Amino acid sequence: GQNIDQPTEMTATEGAIVQINCTYQTSGFNGLFWYQQHAGEAPTFLSYNVLDGLEEKGRFSSFLSRSKGYSYLLLKELQMKDSASYLCTLLDSSYKLIFGSGTRLLVRP
Amino acid sequence: DAGVTQSPTHLIKTRGQQVTLRCSPKSGHDTVSWYQQALGQGPQFIFQYYEEEERQRGNFPDRFSGHQFPNYSSELNVNALLLGDSALYLCASSSPGQGTFGANVLTFGAGSRLTVL
Repeated sequence: GQNIDQPTEMTATEGAIVQINCTYQTSGFNGLFWYQQHAGEAPTFLSYNVLDGLEEKGRFSSFLSRSKGYSYLLLKELQMKDSASYLCTLLDSSYKLIFGSGTRLLVRP
Repeated sequence: DAGVTQSPTHLIKTRGQQVTLRCSPKSGHDTVSWYQQALGQGPQFIFQYYEEEERQRGNFPDRFSGHQFPNYSSELNVNALLLGDSALYLCASSSPGQGTFGANVLTFGAGSRLTVL
């Protein structure tokens, strides 16, 4: 089976940097995704890691350590529109996406 | 590009009734997956359809069934509704022809919010 742990809620200030951590246990691993979901809207793809290391895409970066079962999503220069839930998502051995419960990020002025 | 479209957006049913939700995938996508998202939770995988067949299934009872049509659109049917079936039902499409990465970058629809009374 799989288990994904991420904080339930985080608060940060506009313009700051925030790191959302995710730890996981899984018997099979084919990659890790991060999705963003604004309240009442559909999830949208942010990033994908399959090898260890950092993937950078604009203000967003994602890191993976397969040996530690650990990933993080780093958001820089926070904007009010970044207030959303961030879903840590495993691609398991049968290529099914397993979503975590999400971290609700509140960006304050 | 209209993206993934779902209907209806909201619906209310009573216990024991049946419901059908519909999904049209993004243009160029041939694989449709259905997810159930309870309030405050991440989406839970129900099943995936490809070439009009159920390819994978999550831990959902047989009350949940689906279908994919030749034009790649899909339906989710839920029979004998329970209060616990109240949730947002998300349809996502993808294209396996793009390899592991592309096949699993899902494009989600806005969802159908089902309330069971």
